[in-house]
Amino acid sequence: AIRMTQSPSSFSASTGDRVTITCRASQGISSYLAWYQQKPGKAPKLLIYAASTLQSGVPSRFSGSGSGTDFTLTISCLQSEDFATYYCQQYYSYPPAFGQGTKLEIK
Amino acid sequence: QVQLVQSGAEVKKPGASVKVSCKASGYTFTSYGISWVRQAPGQGLEWMGWISAYNGNTNYAQKLQGRVTMTTDTSTSTAYMELRSLRSDDTAVYYCARDSGVVVAGGLIDYWGQGTLVTVSS
Repeated sequence: AIRMTQSPSSFSASTGDRVTITCRASQGISSYLAWYQQKPGKAPKLLIYAASTLQSGVPSRFSGSGSGTDFTLTISCLQSEDFATYYCQQYYSYPPAFGQGTKLEIK
Repeated sequence: QVQLVQSGAEVKKPGASVKVSCKASGYTFTSYGISWVRQAPGQGLEWMGWISAYNGNTNYAQKLQGRVTMTTDTSTSTAYMELRSLRSDDTAVYYCARDSGVVVAGGLIDYWGQGTLVTVSS
């Protein structure tokens, strides 16, 4: 099974900052990668799929890049509503797998 | 708009079974699959399995094989997940989610239900 590893596991930032979260797959997954945002007590929300395609309705300050084994999620200018936990997930092969999550907290 | 509405919270004793429902609306139910994902308190997301709403094919996570059954009722656009022989470490929020995999597992998961808390306690 493919394993997904995110870094960092958590970090603090301020509104207006540019932040980058990294996700690495244990083997190549082409561009079959999604990013989700989850706020406390809520279901995950799809932000990006196919590594770099923004889901409809998601603000353009979110962007994704990468292919193969290394991927990034970038938030260009943090807003207060962006403080949440972010998960990557591969859907290249069965079973689909999630990263362990990156918790983004207010500094 | 796509909506997945799940059944309410459950409290079960160890060894019991639980069945969670997930009613879909806003799209053609049989054109997608449904994945089930769970999240233990304070933990990450764990994929449990998938069912095709088109033909009923299933794929389950290896660790749950033999304890989980996923079904659908296309007449009501509802998916079900039953987990048997419950243990305390099955305590989690259980989510259903729309999966683009129609006949094979492992598609993109795009819309999620609101989650159902299942608590296993004696």
